[in-house]
Amino acid sequence: AQSVTQLDSQVPVFEEAPVELRCNYSSSVSVYLFWYVQYPNQGLQLLLKYLSGSTLVKGINGFEAEFNKSQTSFHLRKPSVHISDTAEYFCAVSDRDSGTYKYIFGTGTRLKVLA
Amino acid sequence: GAGVSQTPSNKVTEKGKYVELRCDPISGHTALYWYRQSLGQGPEFLIYFQGTGAADDSGLPNDRFFAVRPEGSVSTLKIQRTERGDSAVYLCASSLTTGGHEQFFGPGTRLTVL
Repeated sequence: AQSVTQLDSQVPVFEEAPVELRCNYSSSVSVYLFWYVQYPNQGLQLLLKYLSGSTLVKGINGFEAEFNKSQTSFHLRKPSVHISDTAEYFCAVSDRDSGTYKYIFGTGTRLKVLA
Repeated sequence: GAGVSQTPSNKVTEKGKYVELRCDPISGHTALYWYRQSLGQGPEFLIYFQGTGAADDSGLPNDRFFAVRPEGSVSTLKIQRTERGDSAVYLCASSLTTGGHEQFFGPGTRLTVL
């Protein structure tokens, strides 16, 4: 069964520094990949998605991610973070051939941006 | 509406009671999903509707959990004989169709079983 690993439960980083949040998934079957952000007391909001095509995906708020099929990874990056990026980030995988496209989520990474 | 809405936002109940959680998806979205998010965890899939039918209920933890979507829009998640372990945030999401389209999530219902 598909699983998603977000190894870093918490990532502290200073404002204007770059950040990378790691995501690995278990199965090499054809997948769709997503990153969602959850601000305190708010719902999940889509940052970016990989469906097909270019392996470098750009999303909202200056975030980008790169799909690496051989390493089954989809790491999220931002070159310069802001205080407002403090939130919980979730990686999600959907099996293209499942017929349901349900998401399998990682356990999340809490990004804390320090002044 | 503008987005997915869920009611109530918070629900506190006693062990053994019955609860209903409601989800109102984005108009025109045929696919509807329920997830459960426990403290410190990512959301876990419960059930998926395509139209009125439950196409995949493999994530429901046991037969105390049931969900319906009788007219293909609003969905209700029903939990019988609640247990303390059912305490979590229940998330609903909808999408225009399947096939990789993004899911739009509601704010969730926080269920607390005392």
